Amino acid sequence: AQKVTQAQTEISVVEKEDVTLDCVYETRDTTYYLFWYKQPPSGELVFLIRRNSFDEQNEISGRYSWNFQKSTSSFNFTITASQVVDSAVYFCALSERLQETGANNLFFGTGTRLTVIP
Amino acid sequence: DTAVSQTPKYLVTQMGNDKSIKCEQNLGHDTMYWYKQDSKKFLKIMFSYNNKELIINETVPNRFSPKSPDKAHLNLHINSLELGDSAVYFCASSQENALVETQYFGPGTRLLVL
Repeated sequence: AQKVTQAQTEISVVEKEDVTLDCVYETRDTTYYLFWYKQPPSGELVFLIRRNSFDEQNEISGRYSWNFQKSTSSFNFTITASQVVDSAVYFCALSERLQETGANNLFFGTGTRLTVIP
Repeated sequence: DTAVSQTPKYLVTQMGNDKSIKCEQNLGHDTMYWYKQDSKKFLKIMFSYNNKELIINETVPNRFSPKSPDKAHLNLHINSLELGDSAVYFCASSQENALVETQYFGPGTRLLVL
C-alpha cells in the first residue's frame, strides 16, 4: 500500500497564481516526520521543509506555506504568487522508524510536476 | 563546500559491464543512503548504512553491492549491468537518532545502460 499519495500528477498555472499541492499519508506510527522536496529541471533534490507528527502548526516561509492536518492525514503545500522558477517536480515524503533496526525509512510520493507558465 | 557529492554525474555504459558510483558527505552525518529514481520519477530506497553498518536493504538484486569504507563514504557497485538499471541514483545522508532528522541528497548520477 502506498504510504504517501500525491494525487495530482501534473499541474499548470499561470505566473502569479496561487497553487496548492496535495499530499496524503498513511502510517500507524505516532511519531513520524513529513517532508517536502523540490526537484527542479536540473535534477537535484532540494529539501524544503520537515514537520514532526506532534507539531500541527502551519508554517510559512516567504511564498511557501504548509498545512499539516493529522485529522485528515494531509500535509499540503501552497505556493503563493507562483513564479516560473517554481516549475519543478515536488515530492512529499514520510519518515518512519523501523522497529527492527531503529533506522528511519523515507517513503516518497510519486511527485507532482508543477509548470508555471509565464 | 558541497554537502553530499556523487561521482560521476553521468554514466553511459554497455550491458554486462561492472560500474561503481561514489558518494561522499562532509556534513558529519552517521547515516547514508542510496535511492533509485526510475523514468517515472518514482524514488525508492535501496540501502542505508549507519556508521558503516548496513541497516536497510530493500529488495534489490544482489548485483548491487554497497560499500562503506568510512561513515563519510558510501559507494555503490553494480555488476553485470542490465537495461533496467538505467535510472538516476541518489545518495543521501542524515544524522540518525538526532532529535530532528532530515536526509540531504546528492546531485544524482544518471546511469544509462545501452
